Amino acid sequence: DAGVIQSPRHEVTEMGQEVTLRCKPISGHNSLFWYRQTMMRGLELLIYFNNNVPIDDSGMPEDRFSAKMPNASFSTLKIQPSEPRDSAVYFCASSSGVGGSSYNEQFFGPGTRLTVL
Amino acid sequence: AQSVSQHNHHVILSEAASLELGCNYSYGGTVNLFWYVQYPGQHLQLLLKYFSGDPLVKGIKGFEAEFIKSKFSFNLRKPSVQWSDTAEYFCAVNVDFGNEKLTFGTGTRLTIIP
Repeated sequence: DAGVIQSPRHEVTEMGQEVTLRCKPISGHNSLFWYRQTMMRGLELLIYFNNNVPIDDSGMPEDRFSAKMPNASFSTLKIQPSEPRDSAVYFCASSSGVGGSSYNEQFFGPGTRLTVL
Repeated sequence: AQSVSQHNHHVILSEAASLELGCNYSYGGTVNLFWYVQYPGQHLQLLLKYFSGDPLVKGIKGFEAEFIKSKFSFNLRKPSVQWSDTAEYFCAVNVDFGNEKLTFGTGTRLTIIP
């Protein structure tokens, strides 16, 4: 299995631009998670989906952030407009999602390093 | 809301030294606890987890952690570290068993000197 795939691996953009991060979960996994990692706040859950439905989006910082999961094999995290304080590493993870339980191990992708100038 | 504290931000040890990384959480109810590790250039991966039963859990690569409910702690230990243990270590907690949400600590960077 290829594991969780994220693209791009690095993104540099200017303030005000739209940024789209992409994630392909492990085949057969039913839950998908978006995390943000910064030096100050560590690793924070932004949103997670189960069977393509958003279950918990309490970590989404503000309306500039949106996430979609149109099918079981693809998700996007969009920031529009981007700001310098959005600079961080964004991780996607997936789990088998059986029963929506934390018993399910989360498998992480390599992350996307975003720099907003 | 629950939170996780990892007070050691950077730990430097020599090979063969014993390791203990602290993790404390704030939540009064039942919890599931995890340690994840990120080796240089690699993905974050699960090291070990505690759900119930024996409070001393063993994970991969000789790591273990002890859940002490009275101290709200889940410290990670290894009796003798190796250079290959150099990595960043994250403690995490789940408090809603119908929800897969994990709350992570800020991580501890471990550097092992050969």
